[in-house]
Amino acid sequence: DIQMTQSPSSVSASVGDRVTITCRASQGISNWLAWYQQKPGKAPKLLISAASSLQSGVPSRFSGSGSGTEFTLTISSLQPEDFATYYCQQAYSFPLFGGGSKVEIK
Amino acid sequence: QVQLVESGGGAVQPGGSLRLSCTASGFTFHNNAMHWVRQAPGKGLEWMAFIRYDGTNELYADSVKGRFTISRDNSKNTLYLQMNSLRDEDTAVYYCAKDIQYEEEVHYFDYWGQGTLVTVSS
Repeated sequence: DIQMTQSPSSVSASVGDRVTITCRASQGISNWLAWYQQKPGKAPKLLISAASSLQSGVPSRFSGSGSGTEFTLTISSLQPEDFATYYCQQAYSFPLFGGGSKVEIK
Repeated sequence: QVQLVESGGGAVQPGGSLRLSCTASGFTFHNNAMHWVRQAPGKGLEWMAFIRYDGTNELYADSVKGRFTISRDNSKNTLYLQMNSLRDEDTAVYYCAKDIQYEEEVHYFDYWGQGTLVTVSS
């Protein structure tokens, strides 16, 4: 089975910072990867599909990259509304989420 | 606009059963695969089950295979999850989610319901 490992599990950052979250797959998944944002008490929101395709309405400060086994989500300039937990999800085989990365206020 | 509304959650004893429903609106329900995803309290997301847009194929996570059944009624724009032999570890918020792709599934989830809480406890 494919395993998805996210890092860091949490990060403290300030408004305006650049934040990068990494997701590693235990085997190659081509570009079959999505990123979601979840705020407390809310459903997840799809940000990026196919590793780098930004969903309509998602701010351009979010970007995704990678292929194969290593992927990154970058927030170029953190905004107050970006403090949340982020999940990667592989869609190569059975859908599987990473463990999550919580972005907290420094 | 797309709306997914789950219902049917609640408290149940271990070994019991529950059926969740997810009523869809704002899109052509019979054109999209649908999924159930759950989240235990304070934990991450766990994909549970998938059903093809026409109901002809289903997939399950190993943790629920043989106990949970996903189904859909396209005439009622409704997705279901029949949960049997419930265990303490099934306690979670259950979300229904729409597959992003028209007809063929790609297993990305572009719309989610608000979730319904299932509590399994004696």
